[in-house]
Amino acid sequence: TQLLEQSPQFLSIQEGENLTVYCNSSSVFSSLQWYRQEPGEGPVLLVTVVTGGEVKKLKRLTFQFGDARKDSSLHITAAQPGDTGLYLCAGLTYNQGGKLIFGQGTELSVKP
Amino acid sequence: DAGVIQSPRHEVTEMGQEVTLRCKPISGHNSLFWYRQTMMRGLELLIYFNNNVPIDDSGMPEDRFSAKMPNASFSTLKIQPSEPRDSAVYFCASSLIGRLPMNTEAFFGQGTRLTVV
Repeated sequence: TQLLEQSPQFLSIQEGENLTVYCNSSSVFSSLQWYRQEPGEGPVLLVTVVTGGEVKKLKRLTFQFGDARKDSSLHITAAQPGDTGLYLCAGLTYNQGGKLIFGQGTELSVKP
Repeated sequence: DAGVIQSPRHEVTEMGQEVTLRCKPISGHNSLFWYRQTMMRGLELLIYFNNNVPIDDSGMPEDRFSAKMPNASFSTLKIQPSEPRDSAVYFCASSLIGRLPMNTEAFFGQGTRLTVV
């Protein structure tokens, strides 16, 4: 059974602080995706990382895919209240017909 | 495109009743996923289809759950009989699984909040 473990599950920080969210698995994935979910809505894709060791930046967000393609991290620099939300990592297994499983999520709260 | 459309948005039913959740995926997408989200268990994959064929239903919790995709533009998730522990938000998502994994963004509907009393 494939599992994605995210940590921490909850994070409450002050505006301006930096933070890192981790997503770990014992399984190898074809790609790793990060989504953000607002209350009452479905998750929305932030980024996809495909190559082992790949790093992608989206403004203040930096995403990294582990060399072995089993883990990923999301780093936010100088967090702002607008970053508040649920962050989910998702692993895609392409040779299983495109199976997409999610970690449990990290609930981030950024206080002004 | 209007995106993935789910109905109903909210459903309150009594224990033992049959519940049917509906999903219209984005036109042209070839994969459809049903997920269940709770605080305790997060976003669980229940079943997914590729070209209308069920590929993996190992996440379906019990025989009380069934899903169908009779054509490329419609899918249902049925719970019969429903139980209070089925209360959750159920999401449908669709995607275009191409030859390259970078083209695999999953687009989600707004979800159906199910409450079984």
